[in-house]
Amino acid sequence: GQNIDQPTEMTATEGAIVQINCTYQTSGFNGLFWYQQHAGEAPTFLSYNVLDGLEEKGRFSSFLSRSKGYSYLLLKELQMKDSASYLCAVRDRQGGGYQKVTFGTGTKLQVIP
Amino acid sequence: DARVTQTPRDKVTEMGQEVTMRCQPILGHNTVFWYRQTMMQGLELLAYFRNRAPLDDSGMPKDRFSAEMPDATLATLKIQPSEPRDSAVYFCASGSIGPGSSNTEAFFGQGTRLTVV
Repeated sequence: GQNIDQPTEMTATEGAIVQINCTYQTSGFNGLFWYQQHAGEAPTFLSYNVLDGLEEKGRFSSFLSRSKGYSYLLLKELQMKDSASYLCAVRDRQGGGYQKVTFGTGTKLQVIP
Repeated sequence: DARVTQTPRDKVTEMGQEVTMRCQPILGHNTVFWYRQTMMQGLELLAYFRNRAPLDDSGMPKDRFSAEMPDATLATLKIQPSEPRDSAVYFCASGSIGPGSSNTEAFFGQGTRLTVV
């Protein structure tokens, strides 16, 4: 199975940069996702990493180190609307071609003026 | 505008009653997930279907929960009998995921907020 850890809460200032870390332990790693979830809404997909390195997508970037079991989500030029929970999820190979995705408990980011 | 549709959006029921939640996955998606979200536990995977076949329901309490896909356009999650500890938001998600597929993203429905009193 997986053990996924991320900070419970973070606060950052509008216009700044924030890095949300995620560490995981898994036996059959096959990809890591970041999702954004605003209060009362469904999670929405932000990024996917399966190889080591940085994936950049506009103001959001995601980094993965498979050897360290570590990922981070980097948010630049923070806006008030970025206040949300950010969920790290790990995909893990099971038997028979089945791949299970397990979510961390999420990091609640508050952006302040 | 393809989206995952869940009904009902909100459900309040008394302890002991049967609850059925429905999900219409995005047309063409071969994979359906049911998740439960609470403040304490976060998002927990309850069940996972590929091509309508259940691949994993180990996260689901077997004595009271059941998940089915009667056809490709409908997934159901049933709780019988319901208990107050089942109160949570239940999300359905779908995707085209699996061997031979380059897609990775799962699309979430808006969820069903269940309150058992």
